[in-house]
Amino acid sequence: QVQLQESGPGLVKPSETMSLICTVSGGSLNAAYWGWIRQPPGKGLEHIGRVFHTGSTDYSPSFKSRVTISIDTSKNQFSLQLRSVTAADTAVYYCMRDFGWSFGHMDVWGKGTTVTVSS
Amino acid sequence: DVVMTQSPLFLPVTLGQPASISCRSSQSLVYSDGNTYLIWFQQRPGQSPRRLIYKVSDRDSGVPDRFSGSGSGTDFTLKISRVEAEDVGVYYCMEATHWRTFGQGTKVEIK
Repeated sequence: QVQLQESGPGLVKPSETMSLICTVSGGSLNAAYWGWIRQPPGKGLEHIGRVFHTGSTDYSPSFKSRVTISIDTSKNQFSLQLRSVTAADTAVYYCMRDFGWSFGHMDVWGKGTTVTVSS
Repeated sequence: DVVMTQSPLFLPVTLGQPASISCRSSQSLVYSDGNTYLIWFQQRPGQSPRRLIYKVSDRDSGVPDRFSGSGSGTDFTLKISRVEAEDVGVYYCMEATHWRTFGQGTKVEIK
């Protein structure tokens, strides 16, 4: 059974770059898209972007200018970098399997990691 | 851009009674392959979202059969036939036909 685990700093200063890693266990990164979603406190879900096992990416328009998602299949990890963060980027960040032809969309999620942007 | 609109946003229900959540999209969710990629998630308090229903009405493994999804085109519904205490949480619809757009969420609470 595939499991996902987010890791990274819980506190980031404004204007800096936030970096998170998602480690996938119990399965391969192949033949699937892997992505990130965030949830600001008390609010709904926002899709940030996704990466295919080949490294190709798709980003949601509202994040496109300052986000990079990459993948390291040798480590079974994919990562999120969000640049120039502000307090509005404070949220729980979830990694998930965005799409797989055998599994459909967003069938597996990590538990989430809280990131606070504050000086 | 596609807009997903859920109603109601807050749904107090009595244990054992049915509940229904509506999700409407601003554009048809029928994809070029003929499938309709409308998904329902459940987010229990303090937990990550869990997929319940995909492609409008296909229930995920382990999801109780009291949950059902229906609809077509732009109008979709999630029904819980008899609400149980463990069903408390926020329910989101999401379209994956055009990109990934979530509804605002419907909070289900026990009266």
